[in-house]
Amino acid sequence: DGGITQSPKYLFRKEGQNVTLSCEQNLNHDAMYWYRQDPGQGLRLIYYSQIVNDFQKGDIAEGYSVSREKKESFPLTVTSAQKNPTAFYLCASSSGIGPQETQYFGPGTRLLVL
Amino acid sequence: QQQVKQSPQSLIVQKGGISIINCAYENTAFDYFPWYQQFPGKGPALLIAIRPDVSEKKEGRFTISFNKSAKQFSLHIMDSQPGDSATYFCAASMTGWGSARQLTFGSGTQLTVLP
Repeated sequence: DGGITQSPKYLFRKEGQNVTLSCEQNLNHDAMYWYRQDPGQGLRLIYYSQIVNDFQKGDIAEGYSVSREKKESFPLTVTSAQKNPTAFYLCASSSGIGPQETQYFGPGTRLLVL
Repeated sequence: QQQVKQSPQSLIVQKGGISIINCAYENTAFDYFPWYQQFPGKGPALLIAIRPDVSEKKEGRFTISFNKSAKQFSLHIMDSQPGDSATYFCAASMTGWGSARQLTFGSGTQLTVLP
């Protein structure tokens, strides 16, 4: 059963704490993406990765970090520098080929600050 | 500018009616325009998409109309059903770093179809 999995579904962060959101895909896609979704603001791109061991900042990368050590995994760390981390985080992947490629989204992780 | 402007923010229609959502963009580097449907607590799913060299694309009850000169595109949902109640996002795609495609999303439209 191919797809994208994100864990956990809900995550609670204390002040000053770093937390890591997991994203795994078994679609054999090259490209992976992280988005942040806030009410009324649509989805905003945090980071994306075209290939293993390389990634690029998106529009709102400050306070976040990523790694891409394996093709199927693209974890996102929300650092203590991110002052307003409460949001719904979505991971996506795509084949990365051609203008008509589709991005497939995972079910999301909702991050809340205690 | 990579902004995509979407309207209305919310939309209520009666069952069987037509739902219309509009989007506008500025950056002419965008070359693919998908629409996504999102149910509460779920990730968005691709609904329908269009290339800028096509003026209209229809898939079942869903139609995209595209006006390249005006840099506008819209989603029409015919015979709207309560099951269509969801948030709809327009998006615009362009090539970013390397060959990775970047999606810029509109702010979303929350559609409610009344039974």
